Amino acid sequence: DGGITQSPKYLFRKEGQNVTLSCEQNLNHDAMYWYRQDPGQGLRLIYYSQIVNDFQKGDIAEGYSVSREKKESFPLTVTSAQKNPTAFYLCASSIGLSAEAFFGQGTRLTVV
Amino acid sequence: DAKTTQPPSMDCAEGRAANLPCNHSTISGNEYVYWYRQIHSQGPQYIIHGLKNNETNEMASLIITEDRKSSTLILPHATLRDTAVYYCIAFHMEYGNKLVFGAGTILRVKS
Repeated sequence: DGGITQSPKYLFRKEGQNVTLSCEQNLNHDAMYWYRQDPGQGLRLIYYSQIVNDFQKGDIAEGYSVSREKKESFPLTVTSAQKNPTAFYLCASSIGLSAEAFFGQGTRLTVV
Repeated sequence: DAKTTQPPSMDCAEGRAANLPCNHSTISGNEYVYWYRQIHSQGPQYIIHGLKNNETNEMASLIITEDRKSSTLILPHATLRDTAVYYCIAFHMEYGNKLVFGAGTILRVKS
């Protein structure tokens, strides 16, 4: 089945450690996105990529890094520079320039 | 990108139509109106989109005013499973554009 997969669903890390969240899609979509959602809040865009080997900062990119070496994969690294990393992280993909995006089920990151 | 404005919350009786408004008075001629919804603790789900004409699919109908300054998402027969946050987004299909979500409307469907 085609879809977008985020793993793991729950992730715990100690403060000061970098952590990488996985996002894989087999929809042959060009564009991929990473969002962060805090309790009771809307989605905030971290990074997005519309083609392989290219990505742009979203509204809250500080403390995060991404790579887009393959069309299918868009991993997000939460670095120790991110002051409040505990949040729900969502990955999405879409066909080219369309806003009809498909979302993964999310990764809930807790930093203790 | 045009800013959209939605009411923070709405209630709807089960089985009745849910009409969710969205204002986008600064929308440009080539910006589409997209609607998503997010059920608690899940990723958002695409519902429908349109440019000028009204649109209908198996999930909902989208009514866009003639001046395109506002739109309404209609769920014809709301069920308890339609309880979610609904997001209205104005999106211009060009390279480098980004999909940005606002605060949305919390729709509570009550029995």
